[in-house]
Amino acid sequence: KAGVTQTPRYLIKTRGQQVTLSCSPISGHRSVSWYQQTPGQGLQFLFEYFSETQRNKGNFPGRFSGRQFSNSRSEMNVSTLELGDSALYLCASSLGGTHSTDTQYFGPGTRLTVL
Amino acid sequence: ILNVEQSPQSLHVQEGDSTNFTCSFPSSNFYALHWYRWETAKSPEALFVMTLNGDEKKKGRISATLNTKEGYSYLYIKGSQPEDSATYLCAPSSNTGKLIFGQGTTLQVKP
Repeated sequence: KAGVTQTPRYLIKTRGQQVTLSCSPISGHRSVSWYQQTPGQGLQFLFEYFSETQRNKGNFPGRFSGRQFSNSRSEMNVSTLELGDSALYLCASSLGGTHSTDTQYFGPGTRLTVL
Repeated sequence: ILNVEQSPQSLHVQEGDSTNFTCSFPSSNFYALHWYRWETAKSPEALFVMTLNGDEKKKGRISATLNTKEGYSYLYIKGSQPEDSATYLCAPSSNTGKLIFGQGTTLQVKP
């Protein structure tokens, strides 16, 4: 089975621009979660989508948004980029059934640099 | 779940040493605890999901225990090898499946 894939792997943007990141989950997985990893903050939860609906949300400003399509692929959008948005963005997929015990499988991440 | 703490922050050991790390989390509203291993330039890899107080899990030379009443979990590595060098992350999950990750323990095993 193919793993979780993320595109693009690297991205350079300037302040004020917007960016869209894509995540394709493992086949059969219906839940996709997004995380931001920065050196000082560790892995922080952004949001989770299940069956095209946002099921969980972290403490990030409204500039961070996402969506999920009927094939479970997910996109994450960040508008009006700030320097502090420079980070590694990881997505993870899971079956999405039992919530707390579901194993999440991570993609390789997208490294976003904001200049 | 607000506060997940892992200690030590980093650890340097010699090949063949056994080692252990701690993950502390709030014991109220506990549902499950996940352990992940994250090697440089790779994706985080799931090690264990633990739910029951007193649970013990094992995968090769790596094992973990769980104490939900006092809110901690230990991860043990027996006979560390250079390929064990990685950051080890723990993450309690809420009832809705949201994972809250600790900062991790970075292990460096010297040959």
